[in-house]
Amino acid sequence: ETGVTQSPTHLIKTRGQQVTLRCSSQSGHNTVSWYQQALGQGPQFIFQYYREEENGRGNFPPRFSGLQFPNYSSELNVNALELDDSALYLCASSGTLSGGVYNEQFFGPGTRLTVL
Amino acid sequence: DAKTTQPNSMESNEEEPVHLPCNHSTISGTDYIHWYRQLPSQGPEYVIHGLTSNVNNRMASLAIAEDRKSSTLILHRATLRDAAVYYCILSRPVPGNQFYFGTGTSLTVIP
Repeated sequence: ETGVTQSPTHLIKTRGQQVTLRCSSQSGHNTVSWYQQALGQGPQFIFQYYREEENGRGNFPPRFSGLQFPNYSSELNVNALELDDSALYLCASSGTLSGGVYNEQFFGPGTRLTVL
Repeated sequence: DAKTTQPNSMESNEEEPVHLPCNHSTISGTDYIHWYRQLPSQGPEYVIHGLTSNVNNRMASLAIAEDRKSSTLILHRATLRDAAVYYCILSRPVPGNQFYFGTGTSLTVIP
């Protein structure tokens, strides 16, 4: 069983640029969540995708957008990068989504984004 | 957002039990309580979860207060490999079982 993978592992961009981060979910999982983790902080929920549709969003501006593909892999896109976007971006996958039922989330190792 | 409050750091001697507290006074009836831990340069990993009753698994135990406004993660015998940041998390099943992390407790295990 392959775990959650993310690419790239590290990325350096400058202010105003756009970035795309990628995540491959664990086999059999159809739900992907994205988190932003600033240095020394806990992860903050960005949004979740379930069967290619956005299924919940945290307090992040519209320049943070995403996609989920038919194979359940996912992309996080960030436009007009700001210095404060520098963080570790984590992707987590989980199994079949069912309201009220617990689903463990399996996290990838993250992508470290630095904005200069 | 569902909020949790944890001490910033704790220390434990190796092979002794560790009790990691968490307050979640705004918890609602359908919120699950999760604990994950994060080792340096890794994503968080699952430790344990519960809803109302105390839970045990091979890694740890979770004690949930009767009013569900606090919980305690218990590591029965701390090892050096247990040194990590431990997050107490609430999740709301609608929409999307979103996880709300706090700032976590950094656990140091002393040999």
